Amino acid sequence: GQSLEQPSEVTAVEGAIVQINCTYQTSGFYGLSWYQQHDGGAPTFLSYNALDGLEETGRFSSFLSRSDSYGYLLLQELQMKDSASYFCAVFTNAGKSTFGDGTTLTVKP
Amino acid sequence: DTAVSQTPKYLVTQMGNDKSIKCEQNLGHDTMYWYKQDSKKFLKIMFSYNNKELIINETVPNRFSPKSPDKAHLNLHINSLELGDSAVYFCASSPVALGAGANVLTFGAGSRLTVL
Repeated sequence: GQSLEQPSEVTAVEGAIVQINCTYQTSGFYGLSWYQQHDGGAPTFLSYNALDGLEETGRFSSFLSRSDSYGYLLLQELQMKDSASYFCAVFTNAGKSTFGDGTTLTVKP
Repeated sequence: DTAVSQTPKYLVTQMGNDKSIKCEQNLGHDTMYWYKQDSKKFLKIMFSYNNKELIINETVPNRFSPKSPDKAHLNLHINSLELGDSAVYFCASSPVALGAGANVLTFGAGSRLTVL
C-alpha cells in the first residue's frame, strides 16, 4: 500500500516563505504531485515531480528526492489567498494518485 | 464551460435510501475517477475508469456502484445509504490512465452528501 506523511497545520505571515514537507512509502512510485484546496472548493493541481530536483512555477516550487522518499512544496511571498489545504499525492505505475492527509496553511497579516 | 461538472451539488437524504451522483467532463480525457473526502478532509480514491472500463476499484462496499456509459461520463450510485457515507464526493478526470499527464487530475466542484 501507500502511506504519506505531511504536517497537519502550518502558520506563516504574509510575505514570508513556507515549506510543506511530505514523506512517502509506496511501491511502484512514479511521481509526486501537489494540490491546493480552498475551503468549500475542489482540489486544484499545482505541481508535479517525477525526477529529483526542483520544479518552479511562479511563487510555488516543488522538490523531490526519490532516494529519500521525500518532497516539499515551497510557497514564496505568501499572500492571504494562499490560506488553504495543501495535499501531496503519490502517483504510481498502476495509475493511482493517493493523497496525503493534507496540510492546512494559515497566512496571517 | 465547466471542465468537470457534477450534479447534484448537495444531497440530503435518510438512511437506507438510494442516491446517484452524475459527472461529466468536456476535456476529452480518457480517464475518470471518484474520490471521497470525509469531514477530516481525507481524500480517498474509490474508482477509476479508462475509456468506460473499470481499472481501479478500491475496497469500497458493494453498495457503491459506478457506471461509465461513455468516456465523458462517470456516475456513482449508492444503495442503502448509511451515516458513514456522509462526505463530499469528487469526480475527477485525467488525460490518460498511465504515463505522462496521468497524474494531473482535474476535479469537479464536489457533491456534498448528508445522510440523516
